[in-house]
Amino acid sequence: EIVLTQSPGTLSLSPGERATLSCRASQSISSSYLAWCQQKPGQAPRLLIYGASRRATGIPDRFSGSGSGTDFTLTISRLEPEDFAVYYCQQYGNFGQGTKLEIK
Amino acid sequence: EVQLVESGGGLVQPGGSLRLSCAASGFTFSSYWMHWVRQAPGKGLVWVSHINTDGSSTTYADSVKGRFTISRDNAKNTLFLQMNSLRAEDTAVYYCARGGTSGSYDYWGQGTLVTVSS
Repeated sequence: EIVLTQSPGTLSLSPGERATLSCRASQSISSSYLAWCQQKPGQAPRLLIYGASRRATGIPDRFSGSGSGTDFTLTISRLEPEDFAVYYCQQYGNFGQGTKLEIK
Repeated sequence: EVQLVESGGGLVQPGGSLRLSCAASGFTFSSYWMHWVRQAPGKGLVWVSHINTDGSSTTYADSVKGRFTISRDNAKNTLFLQMNSLRAEDTAVYYCARGGTSGSYDYWGQGTLVTVSS
């Protein structure tokens, strides 16, 4: 079983700043199968990125994904107020534990 | 517009049963794998089960194997999760999700809360 470990657990930033979220896999995975989703309080998750770097339908271009092998990154170039949420990486039936992005 | 609407959650005693439903619309339901994912209060996302397009293949997380059964009715565009022998640790919001490109979950329902308690 592949374990996905996200860091940091909590990231405190201000609107307008750049956010970098990490996801590390316990063994090498195909970048084709790494996704990121966003979840706001009381809401369902929403797909942001699939195939490590492809934005899902309707996702703003300030969100980008990169990485390969065991190390993957979600970058939000300039934080908007609505971006403060929990972010999960996912590979098939495996989810990371989440990174909470909070307003500083 | 793709919509997934779960129902059937509620309060049940340990050892009891519930059947969750997920009504799908806005896409060709029979062309997509479907999934159930759950989230315990204050915790992260955990995959529960998936089913292929015609229902002939199903897979379960070890934690629910032998107790939960996933099924679908493509004529009624509906996904189901039959949950038996429920335990306190099954308490969670249960989401249905559509299988997207490259193993992602591209659309999610709003979730239905299952509480297992005496």
